[in-house]
Amino acid sequence: GAVVSQHPSWVICKSGTSVKIECRSLDFQATTMFWYRQFPKQSLMLMATSNEGSKATYEQGVEKDKFLINHASLTLSTLTVTSAHPEDSSFYICSAKKGPGYTFGSGTRLTVV
Amino acid sequence: TQLLEQSPQFLSIQEGENLTVYCNSSSVFSSLQWYRQEPGEGPVLLVTVVTGGEVKKLKRLTFQFGDARKDSSLHITAAQPGDTGLYLCAGETGGFKTIFGAGTRLFVKA
Repeated sequence: GAVVSQHPSWVICKSGTSVKIECRSLDFQATTMFWYRQFPKQSLMLMATSNEGSKATYEQGVEKDKFLINHASLTLSTLTVTSAHPEDSSFYICSAKKGPGYTFGSGTRLTVV
Repeated sequence: TQLLEQSPQFLSIQEGENLTVYCNSSSVFSSLQWYRQEPGEGPVLLVTVVTGGEVKKLKRLTFQFGDARKDSSLHITAAQPGDTGLYLCAGETGGFKTIFGAGTRLFVKA
């Protein structure tokens, strides 16, 4: 089956620093990956669509300079939260599509202190 | 704006009880998926339904896709504590855009 690996599982960083989250498709190639943010006890909010070899497509209200997405290969997409602030603390999840439905990574809990 | 309304938002039941979760929309979907998410994990795909009126069973879980492909339900029979989690429906439109429901948080008490 399709497996998506996300790393790290959790990270704590100081306010003002940047954090990079990786999302890898382990057994398939993903030209498109998706990044979500999830607040406690809420559903997924799509942040952006990551396209291999081209610019990401951001959802309305998501700051592209704040959340940098790079999809340099068919198996890796990265999300960098730049100049992180406490309000960026959240659960970030990536996914890729293989056939109907999505395969999700295990998520990254980011805490900015 | 396309919406996928999911209900109920929260459900707390005793072990052994039955429950149904609903997803409704005014949009027609080419397919619809149900996921379960446990705390601190990513969602895991349970089922995909494609054909209007389709019914799929996964052990004690029964999934139904509405005839018009605008709505879906998830029925759990004899719920167990292991069923506890966030259940999400997601509908894919003809434009390959996926809409997620707000989720149903289920808690099954032993």
